[in-house]
Amino acid sequence: GQNIDQPTEMTATEGAIVQINCTYQTSGFNGLFWYQQHAGEAPTFLSYNVLDGLEEKGRFSSFLSRSKGYSYLLLKELQMKDSASYLCAVIDSNYQLIWGAGTKLIIKP
Amino acid sequence: IAGITQAPTSQILAAGRRMTLRCTQDMRHNAMYWYRQDLGLGLRLIHYSNTAGTTGKGEVPDGYSVSRANTDDFPLTLASAVPSQTSVYFCASSDSHTDTQYFGPGTRLTVL
Repeated sequence: GQNIDQPTEMTATEGAIVQINCTYQTSGFNGLFWYQQHAGEAPTFLSYNVLDGLEEKGRFSSFLSRSKGYSYLLLKELQMKDSASYLCAVIDSNYQLIWGAGTKLIIKP
Repeated sequence: IAGITQAPTSQILAAGRRMTLRCTQDMRHNAMYWYRQDLGLGLRLIHYSNTAGTTGKGEVPDGYSVSRANTDDFPLTLASAVPSQTSVYFCASSDSHTDTQYFGPGTRLTVL
């Protein structure tokens, strides 16, 4: 079966750095997305990786290793507004998007 | 309108009733999707449409139907609602089925 694993919940301190991991076992791979979802709101796009390596976008970076079936989202200089769930999703060989259950990130002052 | 809209925002429905959730996008995206999101389970695909006039079944299609008569609209119908269909429903769209998906604000549905 297809599976995407993320930690259920993480806690970090304002101003710090946090890394949210995502491991996947899917039938093929055609790209990986990270989305942010604030409580009671819709998911919004953060990043897309299709090749190995690090993609940096301001305070957020996303890393991909296809050989390891692994990605992480790195959030720097954490702000209270970063408290949200972070969803990892993989495009499989049938071009279907497989979603992880999400990681709830709690930021403490 | 700009982006993707859904209606209603929330609804309480008696079991056995028929209900249509509406979704409209003005981005001229080819592909559209319906998801349900339940606590601890993440987003699950109900139905999708890669282009106007075509639809396909996702991971959890039973009890739901869709139509795609034009590019902009993608309604989701529950023919006879059951309590297990209580969920938050998100509509999304993308240029193609491999592109970034943009989500509507969601519909919170409670079936009693």
